[in-house]
Amino acid sequence: DQQVKQNSPSLSVQEGRISILNCDYTNSMFDYFLWYKKYPAEGPTFLISISSIKDKNEDGRFTVFLNKSAKHLSLHIVPSQPGDSAVYFCAASEGGGSQGNLIFGKGTKLSVKP
Amino acid sequence: EAEVAQSPRYKITEKSQAVAFWCDPISGHATLYWYRQILGQGPELLVQFQDESVVDDSQLPKDRFSAERLKGVDSTLKIQPAELGDSAMYLCASSHQAGTTSTDTQYFGPGTRLTVL
Repeated sequence: DQQVKQNSPSLSVQEGRISILNCDYTNSMFDYFLWYKKYPAEGPTFLISISSIKDKNEDGRFTVFLNKSAKHLSLHIVPSQPGDSAVYFCAASEGGGSQGNLIFGKGTKLSVKP
Repeated sequence: EAEVAQSPRYKITEKSQAVAFWCDPISGHATLYWYRQILGQGPELLVQFQDESVVDDSQLPKDRFSAERLKGVDSTLKIQPAELGDSAMYLCASSHQAGTTSTDTQYFGPGTRLTVL
C-alpha cells in the first residue's frame, strides 16, 4: 500500500504559466515533506521542503503548500520554464526529517512547452 | 559545490554474476543511504548507515545483497548473484546527522544504472 501517492503521471504546461504538482499521503506520522527534481540519467536533486508545523514554504519560483487535514501537499512553480521539464518526486518522513528513510511517490513528469 | 560521487555510472552484467557499486558521500556527512529505483517508481531505501554502523537494513534482500561502510566514509553495495529483477537505478544519498532534532535534507548522487541480462 503506497504511503505517498502522486496520482498524475504527467503534466504539460505552457512556458510562463503556473505548474501545480500534487501529492497525497496516508501516514499521519509523516511530519516532514520534500520535493525532488530528477533529470534522466541523473540522481534526484533537492528542491524544497516543508515541516508539518508550517502550511507554506517559498523559495524563488517554487512554493510548497501543505494541508495536513487533507493529507495533501502541492508544489507550485511560477513562472514555469522549459528547464523545469523533469520528473518531480514527492517524499515524506517521520521524526521531523531526522530519521532518514524517505518514502517517495512514483513521480510526475512535467513538460514545459516553449 | 560538494556532491555525492558514485561509480560506475552504468553496469551491464549477466545473471548469477557479482556486481559492486561504490559511493563517496559529501565530506562530513555522517549518514549514508542506498536506494533502489525501479523504472516508473520512486526510490526505495535499501540500507542506511550512521557513520560505520547499519541503522536500517530491513528492506535489504540479505540473501544476495550486502553493504558496508568500514571507515564511516565511502560505502560499497554488492549483489551476488545478480538476478534479472535487480535491473534498476541504484542511488546513494548522504545527510549530516540522523537522530537529531534538526531537519536533515538528503543529497543524492548520480546513481548507477544496472542492467542484468
